[in-house]
Amino acid sequence: DQQVKQNSPSLSVQEGRISILNCDYTNSMFDYFLWYKKYPAEGPTFLISISSIKDKNEDGRFTVFLNKSAKHLSLHIVPSQPGDSAVYFCAASEVGSNYQLIWGAGTKLIIKP
Amino acid sequence: DAGVTQSPTHLIKTRGQQVTLRCSPKSGHDTVSWYQQALGQGPQFIFQYYEEEERQRGNFPDRFSGHQFPNYSSELNVNALLLGDSALYLCASSLGQLTGELFFGEGSRLTVL
Repeated sequence: DQQVKQNSPSLSVQEGRISILNCDYTNSMFDYFLWYKKYPAEGPTFLISISSIKDKNEDGRFTVFLNKSAKHLSLHIVPSQPGDSAVYFCAASEVGSNYQLIWGAGTKLIIKP
Repeated sequence: DAGVTQSPTHLIKTRGQQVTLRCSPKSGHDTVSWYQQALGQGPQFIFQYYEEEERQRGNFPDRFSGHQFPNYSSELNVNALLLGDSALYLCASSLGQLTGELFFGEGSRLTVL
């Protein structure tokens, strides 16, 4: 039973446009959400996080939106750059779990020049 | 400032054998978590070590065991290897258990034949 789902295995976006990556979850006890980026042959790198008490968090070109009622979060990248081409993972942790992360399967983002 | 280092990067074992993977955390970090990432999936939490003790454990059998040393480095041991244990094993470090922001190594690619 997948508690964190990234339903798009891949996404292709034109350079300069907005990239929107989506993530759905089923566990209402999740209270902390993170996005990680992974390049080939490297470990995942932390990108941005959001607590369930917020509905938006921004860091430069990256914004994460959280819709708790829909159990949905999204990562917006504006503008998209070639270096953003990577696999993006959504992860979540449950209240009291000491940040034991449950991960989605990832979405491969391809930025076209 | 050295990041998280893992060894070996690649290894091949046969069914029934045992394997030990090693991890040195990022300088200043005291908590090490281990994840298993099968092809096309997100990382799955194996366990976490803090102050030389296993603090949390995911849904993995007892064949998976670990250790943390006084210098915070860690080992992951897998006994009686199965074909299904073939995966990328990721080590992540953090400072305490106060954040979900993890720093990952490049991983150890284990192939079981």
